[in-house]
Amino acid sequence: NAGVMQNPRHLVRRRGQEARLRCSPMKGHSHVYWYRQLPEEGLKFMVYLQKENIIDESGMPKERFSAEFPKEGPSILRIQQVVRGDSAAYFCASSLTAASPINYGYTFGSGTRLTVV
Amino acid sequence: DQQVKQNSPSLSVQEGRISILNCDYTNSMFDYFLWYKKYPAEGPTFLISISSIKDKNEDGRFTVFLNKSAKHLSLHIVPSQPGDSAVYFCGENRDDKIIFGKGTRLHILP
Repeated sequence: NAGVMQNPRHLVRRRGQEARLRCSPMKGHSHVYWYRQLPEEGLKFMVYLQKENIIDESGMPKERFSAEFPKEGPSILRIQQVVRGDSAAYFCASSLTAASPINYGYTFGSGTRLTVV
Repeated sequence: DQQVKQNSPSLSVQEGRISILNCDYTNSMFDYFLWYKKYPAEGPTFLISISSIKDKNEDGRFTVFLNKSAKHLSLHIVPSQPGDSAVYFCGENRDDKIIFGKGTRLHILP
């Protein structure tokens, strides 16, 4: 079991381009969460998805950001027309059930570091 | 509105001594809190949790205390080791997601 896999590890985009971040959850996990860590900031919740459904997107910026978790394939976080303020580390986590297991929490991936130039 | 607050951005502790990391919360309705540890360029890893029905949970060198009347919890690490140098995030489970604080950077001094 390779754990939560995120790719790419590093992504550089010019302002105005699109960024696509991928997350493959742990085997058997159908719940995926995306978090963003801005420089010198904490982990900010963005969106919670279950297979083919967005359950909670209360942390997603209103524009340019979208997320999906199709029936087949990884979860994708898409940022359109990136700006410098989007530069951050984006982390994906997965869990087996909707209620995060108290004994071991979510499992996080190593993150994608997005740099907008 | 920051619902989970870690008011100390950083903390330095001598190796072998006790490290105490603090977290305050505002919401009275929760299931449990979790602590995560994060090294640079890595994802956060789960450390320890505590249920709302308990006031203490212990796992080896790590103990978490929950004071519901003060809406405060703390993570104790004893004895502190060099490998404990990391950023520690306090998280509150709410609505099937975890809301994290801004983190505290712990430096273990030789």
